[in-house]
Amino acid sequence: QSALTQPPSASGSPGQSVTISCTGTSSDVGGYNSVSWYQQHPGKAPKVMIYEVSKRPSGVPDRFSGSKSGNTASLTVSGLQAEDEADYYCSSYAGSNTYVFGGGTKVTVL
Amino acid sequence: EVRLVESGGGLVQPGGSLRLSCAASGLTFSTSWIHWVRQAPGKGLVWVSRINNDGSSTSYADSVKGRFTISRDNAKNTLYLQINSLRADDTAVYYCARYMGSGTYSLDYWGQGTLVTVSS
Repeated sequence: QSALTQPPSASGSPGQSVTISCTGTSSDVGGYNSVSWYQQHPGKAPKVMIYEVSKRPSGVPDRFSGSKSGNTASLTVSGLQAEDEADYYCSSYAGSNTYVFGGGTKVTVL
Repeated sequence: EVRLVESGGGLVQPGGSLRLSCAASGLTFSTSWIHWVRQAPGKGLVWVSRINNDGSSTSYADSVKGRFTISRDNAKNTLYLQINSLRADDTAVYYCARYMGSGTYSLDYWGQGTLVTVSS
């Protein structure tokens, strides 16, 4: 149950796009279409932004999109806005009814 | 409105025990699978445990297996996490979160968390 690998930080100017990667193994990210992405603002609970690799829950702007290739999943935030500045975590099912999160990526809007 | 409210956190000495609770409202608790996720101060999210709707199936992260026990009381709409043999690295905010269901592998509603501090 090793944590998924995310870059510690990413940044972009308002209106630009930023993409965050999430690398696991064939036992988690690569083995299931089960990647979720969570947004967490300081002092707040996480909020799901993407589930099942690329699906958006109701109410999440379509500026947020997800994809996966092999053992690496990605979250892209297009048209960056100030409120998108937050920590982002990926997670994946890891088999045997267990899950694993990534280490998190701090997104800064310049 | 779905609400998950954690309680039971606090300061405990190494080797001690705590029981965390997660009170649910605004959802059909008896059909909901619930997870515990923790976050050490300034650190990332870590999955801890999961229980199915009737409590017949549970699972744990390797780091807590044998020390943590997840359970639920559907009559009280409450989830529990019994934490034993506490260590300094168990210090974290503990969140309960509802599984979205239907093979989504995702958590849609989260509580605000309860802080557990392990220190002498």
